Amino acid sequence: QVQLVESGGGVVQPGRSLRLSCAASGFSFSEYGFDWVRQAPGRGLEWLTVISYDGSQKYYTDSVKGRFTISRDNSENTIHLQMNRLTAGDTAVYYCARDSGGYLDLWGQGILVTVSS
Amino acid sequence: DIVMTQSPDSLAVSLGERATINCKSSRSVLYSSNNKNYLAWYQQKPGQPPKLLIYWASTRESGVPDRFSGSGSGTDFTLTISSFQAEDVAVYYCHQYYTIPPWTFGQGTKVEI
Repeated sequence: QVQLVESGGGVVQPGRSLRLSCAASGFSFSEYGFDWVRQAPGRGLEWLTVISYDGSQKYYTDSVKGRFTISRDNSENTIHLQMNRLTAGDTAVYYCARDSGGYLDLWGQGILVTVSS
Repeated sequence: DIVMTQSPDSLAVSLGERATINCKSSRSVLYSSNNKNYLAWYQQKPGQPPKLLIYWASTRESGVPDRFSGSGSGTDFTLTISSFQAEDVAVYYCHQYYTIPPWTFGQGTKVEI
């Protein structure tokens, strides 16, 4: 079954860290780049970061640059998002998505991250 | 960064009627070397992740009904639903993926009956 499944979300205190994972199955993982996109409650989509098929290229939006790190493990078919120095503004549903040349053709169900004391 | 602005923010459409959503980018997303517009459209229903409808501005994703179509070039784009169905109630987003990131989404257009 072709799918992406996110994990690792939850409630975290401001200033702390959290690591999200995205497990891919049903397709050739190493041929694709992957993105993370988030959606704050009641808000629109915000593109966060992308990693290339081989992990050699990574890009971030300004709001997370220096705090978030995307990585991939091609042996485990998994994408990770390390999130540091979290603030209330990072509260959102985080989606992992498969990148087919920029457009996102497969999305996970999303995982909720709540930053609150 | 390229700013994507959608209009309108919300739209009410009668069943069977045409729905039109516009998306304007602050810079051209047409890559002259391959004549492709780096623009996609997504549909998001409540409680669900987004779903890809259109990429390269006008290429329909496999399995997407042909009542959905995309058009435009450069900075101005349109998503058209030719005959609106009840299952098309959703929020629609445009997305530019031109050259080097960061890539950006429009603010979304909520379409209701």
